[in-house]
Amino acid sequence: QSALTQPASVSGSPGQSITISCTGTSSDVGGFNYVSWYQQRPGKAPKLMIYDVTKRPSGVSDRFSGSKSSNTASLTISGLQPEDEAGYYCTSYTSRSTWVFGGGTKLTVL
Amino acid sequence: EVQLVESGGGLVQPGGSLRLSCAGSGFTFSSSNMNWVRQAPGKGLEWISYISGSSSSIYQADSVKGRFTISRDNSKNSLFLQMNSLRAEDTAVYYCARATLAAFDYWGQGTLVTVTS
Repeated sequence: QSALTQPASVSGSPGQSITISCTGTSSDVGGFNYVSWYQQRPGKAPKLMIYDVTKRPSGVSDRFSGSKSSNTASLTISGLQPEDEAGYYCTSYTSRSTWVFGGGTKLTVL
Repeated sequence: EVQLVESGGGLVQPGGSLRLSCAGSGFTFSSSNMNWVRQAPGKGLEWISYISGSSSSIYQADSVKGRFTISRDNSKNSLFLQMNSLRAEDTAVYYCARATLAAFDYWGQGTLVTVTS
């Protein structure tokens, strides 16, 4: 199973919005509404930010939103804040009853 | 408060074995599906194994199939990963993570496994 494709890095200024894409296939992203997104700060465990494509866990800011079109899922962060600077990973359930992660995207807040 | 605490990591030679443990608390462990996810130094996350609450369903990534075995002991609220025939490319931080349907909602702090001669 090949990893999902994410941009290696994105950047934005405080207050701006950014979008991170996550491209897979019809066997994973396109085939299920089971895409989730994780934030990971250096030396820390990942934190769930979005699940089931669009849902936010309790306690996660509504500045984070998710969407999906065909085989590509997206994470949008609006009103960027310095504390949003971190690594972001997408993952999808697959037709083989496994999970596949994206390669990760480093977000820099300028 | 949900807590997951991994242990058992360390230094091991290529071809060796290691058994990781993950202790869960603050939730109904026996009803929870669990996973192992790893992260090589400076690299991304890689899902490696899943086990259902009753142990009736187990899935693994091709990269560890035949070498790693996931198991659990619900009486001790514990998850395990038996790792055999270890290779240098298995060097990583290993996280246990609870699954909620198809997402990983709680993670442990991770335990480092280093495979080197």
